[in-house]
Amino acid sequence: DADVTQTPRNRITKTGKRIMLECSQTKGHDRMYWYRQDPGLGLRLIYYSFDVKDINKGEISDGYSVSRQAQAKFSLSLESAIPNQTALYFCATRAEQAADTQYFGPGTRLTVL
Amino acid sequence: AQSVTQLDSQVPVFEEAPVELRCNYSSSVSVYLFWYVQYPNQGLQLLLKYLSGSTLVKGINGFEAEFNKSQTSFHLRKPSVHISDTAEYFCAVSEASNSGYALNFGKGTSLLVTP
Repeated sequence: DADVTQTPRNRITKTGKRIMLECSQTKGHDRMYWYRQDPGLGLRLIYYSFDVKDINKGEISDGYSVSRQAQAKFSLSLESAIPNQTALYFCATRAEQAADTQYFGPGTRLTVL
Repeated sequence: AQSVTQLDSQVPVFEEAPVELRCNYSSSVSVYLFWYVQYPNQGLQLLLKYLSGSTLVKGINGFEAEFNKSQTSFHLRKPSVHISDTAEYFCAVSEASNSGYALNFGKGTSLLVTP
């Protein structure tokens, strides 16, 4: 089984709808991250969390919110989706040690019509 | 804050030829450097990383990269590419002062290997 899972893998929604993307990990890591990928722009940080009570905004947090329900779960919400939020979304986890590697989920492809 | 520049958005190369994908970064503090690969319609896979020590880092699939502190570069190389190396390659940097060691990615280089 994959260490970092994301659901759904693909989602098509309409402008104005609320949508939640979920991430779960079995690696026991405290650090969790949400990134979005757009063609030609690479990946950009949306939110990150050090633990259940520590959530921080990233570079492009406007229009998004997150919830860290447990150490293993980190959800990303779009309260009112808009077309320019169409992107590929990745969740990642990292162990507390500073120099450790981030482990990425398979991604969620979101299309907002 | 650091920035990452991947100097080539696309690199076409013939099979069995050598390839170098260039990456430069800017940072005022010590950084950790990574190369990730994304195959078509797949997620990200770590190719290699530089944390400290030897500046020549070997990764998976025959790739290697060299950290050059004076030139603030971390170029990725492979002496002989295969068709299966066709993918998007991302250089990334993290540092202690940045968002809890979140990764700052370059915009990616698309490697296209043809027969």
